[in-house]
Amino acid sequence: EDQVTQSPEALRLQEGESSSLNCSYTVSGLRGLFWYRQDPGKGPEFLFTLYSAGEEKEKERLKATLTKKESFLHITAPKPEDSATYLCAVRMAGSYQLTFGKGTKLSVIP
Amino acid sequence: DTGVSQDPRHKITKRGQNVTFRCDPISEHNRLYWYRQTLGQGPEFLTYFQNEAQLEKSRLLSDRFSAERPKGSFSTLEIQRTEQGDSAMYLCAVDRVGTGELFFGEGSRLTVL
Repeated sequence: EDQVTQSPEALRLQEGESSSLNCSYTVSGLRGLFWYRQDPGKGPEFLFTLYSAGEEKEKERLKATLTKKESFLHITAPKPEDSATYLCAVRMAGSYQLTFGKGTKLSVIP
Repeated sequence: DTGVSQDPRHKITKRGQNVTFRCDPISEHNRLYWYRQTLGQGPEFLTYFQNEAQLEKSRLLSDRFSAERPKGSFSTLEIQRTEQGDSAMYLCAVDRVGTGELFFGEGSRLTVL
């Protein structure tokens, strides 16, 4: 069965303290790995799509990377406004549905 | 603004009542999805439409759940005889660029008492 596991469940950082979130997956025929940000009480907000091992995407303080078994979301010099839950999802061949992990709740303390 | 409007944003109902949620994408999108999210979990796939055709349904979608997209634009999700376990956020999403990248609405939160 396809699985997506995110770690850690929660992460508390001081403002400016860089770190990484992990998303490991077991899926047959990966057709995309997606990162989303979700603020409390709101729908997920699309960040990145990665399609193949070695691919990297960047947006402001965020950088996503992909290997054959996992993806990392690197956060450089985070600010309090980066506090949110970050969700990882995968799409497998032959389906348009996304399978999500449980997310990592990031708190950035001023 | 993702261009996906959901209504109502919050619904409180008593067990056994029927509820209906509506999703309105601002512009036309071939693919429209419904997901359900409970506290501390990621969204779970419920169903997917391509135009007006319902092409995929999760086994989570019991016979008390029904979804429609009559003209390939807006969609409705109805839950009959609600149970407390139905309490969740119901999210609608569209695939705006045809790549599988989903853009979600703000969700409809259901509380079943």
